[in-house]
Amino acid sequence: GAGVSQSPSNKVTEKGKDVELRCDPISGHTALYWYRQRLGQGLEFLIYFQGNSAPDKSGLPSDRFSAERTGESVSTLTIQRTQQEDSAVYLCASSLRLSGSLNTEAFFGQGTRLTVV
Amino acid sequence: AQSVTQPDIHITVSEGASLELRCNYSYGATPYLFWYVQSPGQGLQLLLKYFSGDTLVQGIKGFEAEFKRSQSSFNLRKPSVHWSDAAEYFCAVGPYNQGGKLIFGQGTELSVKP
Repeated sequence: GAGVSQSPSNKVTEKGKDVELRCDPISGHTALYWYRQRLGQGLEFLIYFQGNSAPDKSGLPSDRFSAERTGESVSTLTIQRTQQEDSAVYLCASSLRLSGSLNTEAFFGQGTRLTVV
Repeated sequence: AQSVTQPDIHITVSEGASLELRCNYSYGATPYLFWYVQSPGQGLQLLLKYFSGDTLVQGIKGFEAEFKRSQSSFNLRKPSVHWSDAAEYFCAVGPYNQGGKLIFGQGTELSVKP
């Protein structure tokens, strides 16, 4: 079956503009994660969804960042009034979490490379 | 505080030599540990994972990792490195038996020389 799909794969935007990044998780995966990876850095957690609720949004760096998820499907990460420090690869992952079961592995998408000029 | 430390930013090994990548973690609950690999321009691929049982786990591509609770370590090893193993390697820790975020280390870049 298909893996985690992210779009666009690359996005160049002008400083101050808003951007929307999309993530299509693997069908049936209830958990969805957004991470940010700056050049040469590790993965920085942004937000985690279980279904369409977000139990942990502690990693969102500012109120310019928001995310939503429709049911157990598509998620969008929105960055308003982009700044140059927002330039990074934004990675989405999903995992199959069964009630009372283990936190199974997270499958990652290819990422969206965002460049703010 | 929850954290993952990969002390080596960059490692170079000769093809055919053995490899060990270090990972130390700090986690308040029972950890669920992972190693991922990221090749240039690619997403992250899971190499192996550990949550209980035998502390030596086998993964894909000939990799293995050993969990040492007393040292809070989960080091990745491979007996003989291939040129195609050149990539970035990330160690991660997550909660056991519940959903939640994975915390990643900064990564170790592996270069393989002929």
